[in-house]
Amino acid sequence: QMQLQPWGAGLLKPSETLSLTCAVSSGSFSAYYWSWIRQPPGKGLEWIGEINHSGTINFNPSLKSRVTMSLDTSKSQLSLNLRSVTAADTAVYYCARGPGRLRWGQGILVTVSS
Amino acid sequence: DIVLTQSPDSLAASLGERATITCKSSQSILYSSNNLNYLSWHQQKPGQPPRLLIYWASTRDSGVPDRFSGSGSGTDFTLTISSLQAEDVAVYYCHQYYTTPYTFGQGTKLEIK
Repeated sequence: QMQLQPWGAGLLKPSETLSLTCAVSSGSFSAYYWSWIRQPPGKGLEWIGEINHSGTINFNPSLKSRVTMSLDTSKSQLSLNLRSVTAADTAVYYCARGPGRLRWGQGILVTVSS
Repeated sequence: DIVLTQSPDSLAASLGERATITCKSSQSILYSSNNLNYLSWHQQKPGQPPRLLIYWASTRDSGVPDRFSGSGSGTDFTLTISSLQAEDVAVYYCHQYYTTPYTFGQGTKLEIK
């Protein structure tokens, strides 16, 4: 059964760059879109963006100027960078296979605090 | 952006009762060329990632109990739990993947009365 496990720094200072990587175990990595979604503590879900192996990338306009996403098909990994973070970027970050029939990965809490 | 509005925000029902959550979209999410509604429903229990329950508005994901069903088309959708079980306590989200930015409803918290 496919699993998605993100990792990265869990505590950042304002203005730093959030960097997360998600490893995908099993399944056809190149056949799908891959997404990042976040959830501030106690709040709802926000779609960050999606990417596929062809290089098609779509971002949420609310974050577009600060976001970079990439795939490493040789390692079956996807990555997310979010520049110039503030406290408002504190959230649990999820990687997922999708859209559509979304397959959620585990989340990772990233806290931005001075 | 497409806005999804769920109602109610919270719901308390008794074990064995039917529970219904609605999701209204600010525009149609029915793609006419394939007659599919680009809407899914997700369940999130405390401390866990969300779990897909329903996609294409009414297709149950593998392993999802058949007491969960989805219906609706265009702009109005419903998630129904036919006979509420204790393990159904969770927050439920609708999600549109018709057009980017994909969006989620604000969530409905379901509790046992």
